[in-house]
Amino acid sequence: RKEVEQDPGPFNVPEGATVAFNCTYSNSASQSFFWYRQDCRKEPKLLMSVYSSGNEDGRFTAQLNRASQYISLLIRDSKLSDSATYLCVVNRGATNKLIFGTGTLLAVQP
Amino acid sequence: GAGVSQSPRYKVAKRGQDVALRCDPISGHVSLFWYQQALGQGPEFLTYFQNEAQLDKSGLPSDRFFAERPEGSVSTLKIQRTQQEDSAVYLCASSSLGDPRDPTDTQYFGPGTRLTVL
Repeated sequence: RKEVEQDPGPFNVPEGATVAFNCTYSNSASQSFFWYRQDCRKEPKLLMSVYSSGNEDGRFTAQLNRASQYISLLIRDSKLSDSATYLCVVNRGATNKLIFGTGTLLAVQP
Repeated sequence: GAGVSQSPRYKVAKRGQDVALRCDPISGHVSLFWYQQALGQGPEFLTYFQNEAQLDKSGLPSDRFFAERPEGSVSTLKIQRTQQEDSAVYLCASSSLGDPRDPTDTQYFGPGTRLTVL
């Protein structure tokens, strides 16, 4: 079982739709949580950090539930430019290494 | 400013060849990481440097993999006697701080080197 698990998708949604991604992690010692975005054949880029209180950045909302070891990302009013792979990431241990899920592919259709 | 750069961007090697992949981190960044990303998977941690010290190499898959950062800036990942299962994208990331307790210490990734072993 992978330490960070995500539904690989693909999620095919029309423009303007709201889409939610979920992720679970198995190591309760995980300290920090992130969503990264990766476009095809490009490097991962930080989308947003995830806090227990929940946080919002424009159309994007992230939530963390430490008790359930569950992380979510909500995208409202999807744009064509949101099409990408969304990677759920946790940071564990003394060396700040990132543990990635396999990613969820989102395709926003016109 | 300049981001993380990696070279070469693409490398084709015959099985058994040695390869060397270079990473130039963002200037002044203390921490440097190497990750391996196989097709359809998320990146997987290989090794971590704080300045010139290699503090974690737990992700290196075999003793054919070796990384160094002798002057605390540029790093090289070397793979000896390459095998087909080494085919992947090798990503380098750097971050400004050396404090793993600080979740705001964002890792910035380079474009990667795509290695294909025939």
